[in-house]
Amino acid sequence: AQSVTQPDIHITVSEGASLELRCNYSYGATPYLFWYVQSPGQGLQLLLKYFSGDTLVQGIKGFEAEFKRSQSSFNLRKPSVHWSDAAEYFCAVVIFGNEKLTFGTGTRLTIIP
Amino acid sequence: KAGVTQTPRYLIKTRGQQVTLSCSPISGHRSVSWYQQTPGQGLQFLFEYFSETQRNKGNFPGRFSGRQFSNSRSEMNVSTLELGDSALYLCASSTGTSGRAGEQFFGPGTRLTVL
Repeated sequence: AQSVTQPDIHITVSEGASLELRCNYSYGATPYLFWYVQSPGQGLQLLLKYFSGDTLVQGIKGFEAEFKRSQSSFNLRKPSVHWSDAAEYFCAVVIFGNEKLTFGTGTRLTIIP
Repeated sequence: KAGVTQTPRYLIKTRGQQVTLSCSPISGHRSVSWYQQTPGQGLQFLFEYFSETQRNKGNFPGRFSGRQFSNSRSEMNVSTLELGDSALYLCASSTGTSGRAGEQFFGPGTRLTVL
């Protein structure tokens, strides 16, 4: 079945530590890939996107993600997290020709001092 | 540019009533999508409108409907409300061009509570 999976429901990291959030997809063809962030009580904001080309993409707020076709993954990374990064993060996909954005279940990120 | 706006921000209704939510997209955006967000089901796609036509539809019952006007503003309607309809309803706009539909700009949402 076609799906996008975020295996980690909740992750806790110390401020200043590195971060990696996992995302895997299961589709016949490579979809367009996105990461969104949702701060408490707010809507979603696009962090970064991958359509094609360079497999390492840079986004806003110091985030980056790497597309690995062999692993069907699109993991989000940040070298050093800040307390303001505490939020929920969603991986999402769009299949070319079907303009519907499908979200993963999300990963809640907690930052400890 | 002004962002996506949604009205009202909060709404309390009782079972059996109906509700209409409104969304104004970013100027120039022709696509508006609606999502339901709940703790149990996460973010679920309701439908997408592009140039006044429903282009995509999620797996929701017919009680959920929507429309888009010529100025791209969109409304969604839920009839015969059920307790399970309590959720955050998010609207998002995009240019709607092929492949770029995933680059969506979200509003703050409407929090609907059904009593």
